[in-house]
Amino acid sequence: GENVEQHPSTLSVQEGDSAVIKCTYSDSASNYFPWYKQELGKRPQLIIDIRSNVGEKKDQRIAVTLNKTAKHFSLHITETQPEDSAVYFCAASDGSQFYFGTGTSLTVIP
Amino acid sequence: DVKVTQSSRYLVKRTGEKVFLECVQDMDHENMFWYRQDPGLGLRLIYFSYDVKMKEKGDIPEGYSVSREKKERFSLILESASTNQTSMYLCASSLSSGFHQPQHFGDGTRLSIL
Repeated sequence: GENVEQHPSTLSVQEGDSAVIKCTYSDSASNYFPWYKQELGKRPQLIIDIRSNVGEKKDQRIAVTLNKTAKHFSLHITETQPEDSAVYFCAASDGSQFYFGTGTSLTVIP
Repeated sequence: DVKVTQSSRYLVKRTGEKVFLECVQDMDHENMFWYRQDPGLGLRLIYFSYDVKMKEKGDIPEGYSVSREKKERFSLILESASTNQTSMYLCASSLSSGFHQPQHFGDGTRLSIL
């Protein structure tokens, strides 16, 4: 089955700096890659997703890039703000199931 | 906006008890899922259902069962609770079209087995 690895497990950045979280996957059949943000004590919420026919997608300060050849995808957050502090999960789907990364705890220091 | 509601935020039960966790969604989604979330392990799929009365095992189904008698409701059952089932349980739903649609999560149930 699919194996999704996520790095780093923790990340601290100064407010205003950029943050990058990377995920790798093993199954070349995976073709849908969502990212979820989970604030403390709250539900995971979708923040951005990308499909395998696209290499990059942006939504304001958030972007996701996908390299199908290398089987990795990354979340980029620019101009970080304290409210970006949360746990971020990546996931990959091959159409039969979602496979989640183990999460990255992001802390934005004011 | 999709609403996924889990019946309890916190639950404390004893070893050996039969435990029911309930989840209801209001968006007529075909797919429903149960995950457990543990530190350092991320989200692990227990069971999912793609239609009423249909169920499929996920990665860690042992010790659990599920029930989907109505489209909007998906129940997770711990047949005989054990301490290693202490965890955060998350329910999610999504539209059909396989697994190419985002999942919508509930707030979670933090279950403690004593």
